[in-house]
Amino acid sequence: DIQMTQSPSSLFASVGDRVTITCRASQSVRNYLNWYQQTPGKPPKLLMYAASTLQSGVPSRFSGSGSGTDFTLTISSLQPEDFASYYCQQAYTTPLSFGGGTKVEI
Amino acid sequence: QLQLQESGPGLVKPSETLSLTCSVSGDSISSSDYYWAWIRQPPGKGLEYIGNIYYTGSADSAPSLKSRVTISVDRSKNQFSLKLRSVTGADTAVYFCARRTLGVATNSFDFWGQGTLVTVSS
Repeated sequence: DIQMTQSPSSLFASVGDRVTITCRASQSVRNYLNWYQQTPGKPPKLLMYAASTLQSGVPSRFSGSGSGTDFTLTISSLQPEDFASYYCQQAYTTPLSFGGGTKVEI
Repeated sequence: QLQLQESGPGLVKPSETLSLTCSVSGDSISSSDYYWAWIRQPPGKGLEYIGNIYYTGSADSAPSLKSRVTISVDRSKNQFSLKLRSVTGADTAVYFCARRTLGVATNSFDFWGQGTLVTVSS
């Protein structure tokens, strides 16, 4: 099974900051890597797939990069609605698996 | 617009079976483009993939839960279900149903239910 590790597990930031979250896979997942955003009490929302393709309706301040085992999610200028938890998920092979999450806090 | 809605008991006793159903509206569960999945999230923790099912009835589940999980589909009702046997407190979680796409965003979960909290307690 592929293990996904995110860092940091939490971070503190301010509106307007540039934020970067990393995700590492225990073996290559090529570019089969998805990112989700979750706010409290809500289900996760798909942000990005195939490592760098924005889901429809997601603001362009979100970007993703990486392939193989190392990936990043970047928010170029943090907005109030971006304070949330973020999860990576490998889509390369079953069983599909998630990272432990990164909580972005004020 | 696609909607998924989980239903089932919010409280289950230890050693008993957790049973949940996900009702799908706005799309056919018999579409060849999707799997239908269960994912859970213990309070304050991260997401855990439980398993999923194709409209044909072909299902798989996470190895850590495989011996206790059954996922089934009822195409006539446009629903799919989860049974988790021999539950313990570690199975207390919000349980989400979700659609797993086989399209462009391959193997992503692009639609989710709102989730239902299941507590395991006597």
